[in-house]
Amino acid sequence: KQEVTQIPAALSVPEGENLVLNCSFTDSAIYNLQWFRQDPGKGLTSLLLIQSSQREQTSGRLNASLDKSSGRSTLYIAASQPGDSATYLCAAETGANNLFFGTGTRLTVIP
Amino acid sequence: DTAVSQTPKYLVTQMGNDKSIKCEQNLGHDTMYWYKQDSKKFLKIMFSYNNKELIINETVPNRFSPKSPDKAHLNLHINSLELGDSAVYFCASSQQIGGGSDTQYFGPGTRLTVL
Repeated sequence: KQEVTQIPAALSVPEGENLVLNCSFTDSAIYNLQWFRQDPGKGLTSLLLIQSSQREQTSGRLNASLDKSSGRSTLYIAASQPGDSATYLCAAETGANNLFFGTGTRLTVIP
Repeated sequence: DTAVSQTPKYLVTQMGNDKSIKCEQNLGHDTMYWYKQDSKKFLKIMFSYNNKELIINETVPNRFSPKSPDKAHLNLHINSLELGDSAVYFCASSQQIGGGSDTQYFGPGTRLTVL
């Protein structure tokens, strides 16, 4: 069964710094890898979706990469801002839109 | 305009009661889901429906029964509530099932507390 792990569990950085969040998954037979953002007390917002045939996706200051063979994905955030503070979740889709979520990385960007 | 809405936002109830959570999406999507996020913030899928048909039914006690009256609504009914049911329940929707390119849109969540 698919297991998704995220490290670190929490991260604090000063504003302006570039940072990388890591996600690993045990079963490489995935349809896609997705990154979400969750603000306290709110639902999830989709950030990026990388299909299994793709290596990376970019949206603004966010860049996500996927290495299926090694079971890893990274989310790179450039020039971090206090508004980026949230919990970031990655999820691997194994079929029929069945998403397996990681435990999240709680990011705090200090002004 | 709210894309995926859930009611109620908060639900506090006693053990043994029966309760329902409602979900509606106005995105015209074919597929809807229920997820449970536990106290450790771990998010796990419970059910998915495609055009009112059950597609995914993870290992969930049969006290939980989803009902989809039409493809814009997916309600969750819970019988005989237990302390361990306390969690945040999220509804989500996506355009279709399969294909590997569908983004899921999440509702704001319903925080259920069982006393």
